Amino acid sequence: EDKVVQSPLSLVVHEGDTVTLNCSYEVTNFRSLLWYKQEKKAPTFLFMLTSSGIEKKSGRLSSILDKKELFSILNITATQTGDSAIYLCAGGVIQGAQKLVFGQGTRLTINP
Amino acid sequence: GAVVSQHPSWVICKSGTSVKIECRSLDFQATTMFWYRQFPKQSLMLMATSNEGSKATYEQGVEKDKFLINHASLTLSTLTVTSAHPEDSSFYICSTRESTDTQYFGPGTRLTVL
Repeated sequence: EDKVVQSPLSLVVHEGDTVTLNCSYEVTNFRSLLWYKQEKKAPTFLFMLTSSGIEKKSGRLSSILDKKELFSILNITATQTGDSAIYLCAGGVIQGAQKLVFGQGTRLTINP
Repeated sequence: GAVVSQHPSWVICKSGTSVKIECRSLDFQATTMFWYRQFPKQSLMLMATSNEGSKATYEQGVEKDKFLINHASLTLSTLTVTSAHPEDSSFYICSTRESTDTQYFGPGTRLTVL
């Protein structure tokens, strides 16, 4: 059975700290790893990673994939209160159209 | 990224009634859409893959007769929860898939069945 596991499940830090969120996956027919940010409603897309070792960056957020060890990390530097959200990672599975298998999410809280 | 809308954003209904949720792809033609369900404090669970002009593909454990999916056009997919019960109360989210395989999500529909 396809499985995506995120850690930690919950994280509370102070504004300005750097955080690293982890995602490991066991997915057959793996194609890509996606990160999303979910605030009050539906998830918003952050990154899609398909190649090992190539960092993707967007402002203070960055992510990298290790296809040998089957994990990905999401880094957020200089955190702000607006970064408080649930961060979801998902393994993309080739099954006709690619479908996503989501992890449980990491609830990140940034205190001022 | 793709822009996806859902309607309604929330709905309350009585047990035994049917509820239809619409998912629209506003800025591109989506041959494939996905329907997810999210229970409180849980992650998104894929329910089914909606294919334009053909039958939906349901995930294991999802009753196709209870969750009717229609994808009649390239911009609209609908999910009908038939004979809803309180245990069907959940957050239902649709997504569309761009050519890069990235999925973009609608704002979700919160269903409460009394």
